[in-house]
Amino acid sequence: VQLVESGGGLVQPGKSLKLSCSASGFTFSSYGMHWIRQAPGKGLDWVAYISSSSGTVYADAVKGRFTISRDNAKNTLYLQLNSLKSEDTAIYYCARTGNSGFFDYWGQGVMVTVSS
Amino acid sequence: DIQMTQSPASLSASLGETVTIECRASEDIYNGLAWYQQKPGKSPQLLIYNANSLHTGVPSRFSGSGSGTQYSLKINSLQSEDVASYFCQQYYDYPTFGGGTKLELK
Repeated sequence: VQLVESGGGLVQPGKSLKLSCSASGFTFSSYGMHWIRQAPGKGLDWVAYISSSSGTVYADAVKGRFTISRDNAKNTLYLQLNSLKSEDTAIYYCARTGNSGFFDYWGQGVMVTVSS
Repeated sequence: DIQMTQSPASLSASLGETVTIECRASEDIYNGLAWYQQKPGKSPQLLIYNANSLHTGVPSRFSGSGSGTQYSLKINSLQSEDVASYFCQQYYDYPTFGGGTKLELK
């Protein structure tokens, strides 16, 4: 199992960014996937989930601003980040969901910095 | 949201020692509890799921226990490669994490 995130960077408040997570080593279309973030030096916060059938769930902090999606033909997970705030600054990890809701494999993470 | 309270926040132990980290949920999570290890500059790695099941490839010196609202992670015979931060996570409801425990060598 390998998960590789990309698309991070420095962005101004109020702007947008799109993260990607390329998956390999497993049947991507059969698994639910998550985005989880970690502010510098802080703990972990779950961000969003997409099921194998593309149903979605979001944390309250990002609901209405972030959109999780997937392209099973490309084995890729996405996170569209809109109306970014300074408090969205974090490392963003994609992770595969295990049987019940734990995260059995994680990517290496991608840094998103929101600053003027 | 279910709140996860993890203790201690930091811990210093000697090589070969047994270490225990605790996690308390704000309500019953029916063993929907995972533990992760995160080494500096790396992504978290799954250690334990369903409160007491060892993830593939995880050394047997790691073990999990607990039920209801109280859970613990035990590391037997501490090794130098175990220096890391450890996080609990509940998945009975929308996922939430404990604040983490930073484990250092004494």
